Amino acid sequence: GAVVSQHPSWVICKSGTSVKIECRSLDFQATTMFWYRQFPKQSLMLMATSNEGSKATYEQGVEKDKFLINHASLTLSTLTVTSAHPEDSSFYICSALLPGQGVQAFFGQGTRLTVV
Amino acid sequence: AQRVTQPEKLLSVFKGAPVELKCNYSYSGSPELFWYVQYSRQRLQLLLRHISRESIKGFTADLNKGETSFHLKKPFAQEEDSAMYYCALSGQDFNKFYFGSGTKLNVKP
Repeated sequence: GAVVSQHPSWVICKSGTSVKIECRSLDFQATTMFWYRQFPKQSLMLMATSNEGSKATYEQGVEKDKFLINHASLTLSTLTVTSAHPEDSSFYICSALLPGQGVQAFFGQGTRLTVV
Repeated sequence: AQRVTQPEKLLSVFKGAPVELKCNYSYSGSPELFWYVQYSRQRLQLLLRHISRESIKGFTADLNKGETSFHLKKPFAQEEDSAMYYCALSGQDFNKFYFGSGTKLNVKP
């Protein structure tokens, strides 16, 4: 089956610094990737839709300048949390859309971000 | 606005009992609906989607457009079915994927 890999799986950073999270589709090309945020014991909240070669589409309430998304190739999308604060601590999950008949989304393993 | 509602946070049943996880949605167009499952310490994975009309691991789900529901059912629950289940919705352009709040299914021996 299709595999989506996130890196890193876990990161701790200091307040005010920036952190980049990578999402790669390992064995397929994904023109569309999604970024989610998941708080403890809560559901996945869609942050943005990332389309290769174009600007990401952000959901209402998500700060574009804080959560920078770049989808420069068909296998890689990155999420950069800029000037991180403790309230940005969360579990970030990406998914990549496998196109074609029976299109479906495959998920990365998630990245646990802790801002101290 | 797109919304996916899963009213139950937790559902506990005994092994062999029928199980139904509820999902209701609101969407202005024709939605594509999915059920995803997350086993302990594993990533989300697709369980089934309404367009396939398939049965996976004994689970089925029927899209009821009149009731705007996509409930997940299994006639005889197994212990290995214990997991978090998420109902998800997308438009036909698959430009968004929205998730419900999830239901934790606990199948007791």
